[in-house]
Amino acid sequence: DQQVKQNSPSLSVQEGRISILNCDYTNSMFDYFLWYKKYPAEGPTFLISISSIKDKNEDGRFTVFLNKSAKHLSLHIVPSQPGDSAVYFCAATPMRNEKLTFGTGTRLTIIP
Amino acid sequence: EPEVTQTPSHQVTQMGQEVILRCVPISNHLYFYWYRQILGQKVEFLVSFYNNEISEKSEIFDDQFSVERPDGSNFTLKIRSTKLEDSAMYFCASSVRQGNSPLHFGNGTRLTVT
Repeated sequence: DQQVKQNSPSLSVQEGRISILNCDYTNSMFDYFLWYKKYPAEGPTFLISISSIKDKNEDGRFTVFLNKSAKHLSLHIVPSQPGDSAVYFCAATPMRNEKLTFGTGTRLTIIP
Repeated sequence: EPEVTQTPSHQVTQMGQEVILRCVPISNHLYFYWYRQILGQKVEFLVSFYNNEISEKSEIFDDQFSVERPDGSNFTLKIRSTKLEDSAMYFCASSVRQGNSPLHFGNGTRLTVT
């Protein structure tokens, strides 16, 4: 089941620079998308979401972009901080559905 | 900030035994979920629960599994006759409403079946 894909297992970014994490999906029924951050030994922490009626949503240092025609979303973190080092998961669901489909995650490392 | 609480953090059990994983969802949330993550694999959906009944379940959630909301605060996942392949992190989550509402996850229970 590869309905949600994160093709980069890891990413290293210098502190203060922009981190860009990417996610692709194949199921055209998905219309609500979320990003979660996960530290070791903790559960996923909700970061930001976007519904398919928008192409951008911003919350502080975090911005999510959605390109429906390409079935692609990305998470931008700027400026990146050491505390941002974690595994980032994108997830997707049809709007009225409760079942999230997760990607495999990207491990982000912020280099001081 | 309110959070989802799970106990125990780690459970070790022998194959064939029954385990109960416990969760206290966020108090004003109405929808409850269990997900699991086998080591090295994706977080995957098990079951959703609303209004005291299962609203959706995955293929993984077979007769071995059951969920219950025994009182106004707890939400439990029971695994009967555990198998080695049930070893995973089990995450409880809750949301305030259905659709366009983020799920908030607990820190998980690591289940080890020996």
